[in-house]
Amino acid sequence: AQKITQTQPGMFVQEKEAVTLDCTYDTSDPSYGLFWYKQPSSGEMIFLIYQGSYDQQNATEGRYSLNFQKARKSANLVISASQLGDSAMYFCAMREFMDTGRRALTFGSGTRLQVQP
Amino acid sequence: EPEVTQTPSHQVTQMGQEVILRCVPISNHLYFYWYRQILGQKVEFLVSFYNNEISEKSEIFDDQFSVERPDGSNFTLKIRSTKLEDSAMYFCASSALGFYEQYFGPGTRLTVT
Repeated sequence: AQKITQTQPGMFVQEKEAVTLDCTYDTSDPSYGLFWYKQPSSGEMIFLIYQGSYDQQNATEGRYSLNFQKARKSANLVISASQLGDSAMYFCAMREFMDTGRRALTFGSGTRLQVQP
Repeated sequence: EPEVTQTPSHQVTQMGQEVILRCVPISNHLYFYWYRQILGQKVEFLVSFYNNEISEKSEIFDDQFSVERPDGSNFTLKIRSTKLEDSAMYFCASSALGFYEQYFGPGTRLTVT
C-alpha cells in the first residue's frame, strides 16, 4: 500500500487565488510528521512546512498552511494568493517516529502546480 | 542563510565506472541523508548517517553504494560500478539534532551511458 498518496498529478490556478494540494497518508505509527516540499523546474527541493501528528493546531508558514485532518489521514497544503513563482512540483512526505532510529522521509508522487496569469 | 551544497551539479559516466558524489551539509547539522529521484518519479530514500555510521538504509542501498564523511564538512556517496538504472538526480540532505526538517541540496544529476 502507498504510504503517501497525491491524487492530483497536475493542477492549474489563477494568480492571486488560493489552491489546495491533496495528500493522504497511511501509517499505524501514532507518532509521525508530515512535510511538504517544493521542487521548481531547476530541480532543488525546498522545505515548505511541517506538521507533527500531535500538534493541536494546523501549521502555517507565510502563504502556506497545512489542513491537517488526522481522522481522515489527510494533510493538504493550502497556498493562498498564488504567485507565478509558485509554479512547481509539490511533494508531500512523511516520517514515522515509532522507531527512533528511523528518519527516512517517504515521498508521494507529487503534484505539478501551474499558476496562470 | 546556511544551505546544503552538492558537487558536481551534473556528472556523466560510463557504465561500470565508479562515481563519487559530494555534499557539504549545513554546518551544525548532525544527520545526513542521500535520496535519489529517477526522472519523472518520486524521491526515494537511500541512506541516513549519524555519528559516523549508517543509521538506516533502504533496499536500494545495496553493496554497490557506500557513504563516508571523510572530514568534518564533506559527506560523500560512492557508487562502485554504475549501471544505466543509476541515472537519476541524487539529493543530499541534512537535519539538526532534535529537529525534523530535512534541508536538501540542489542535487547532482547523474547520467550513466
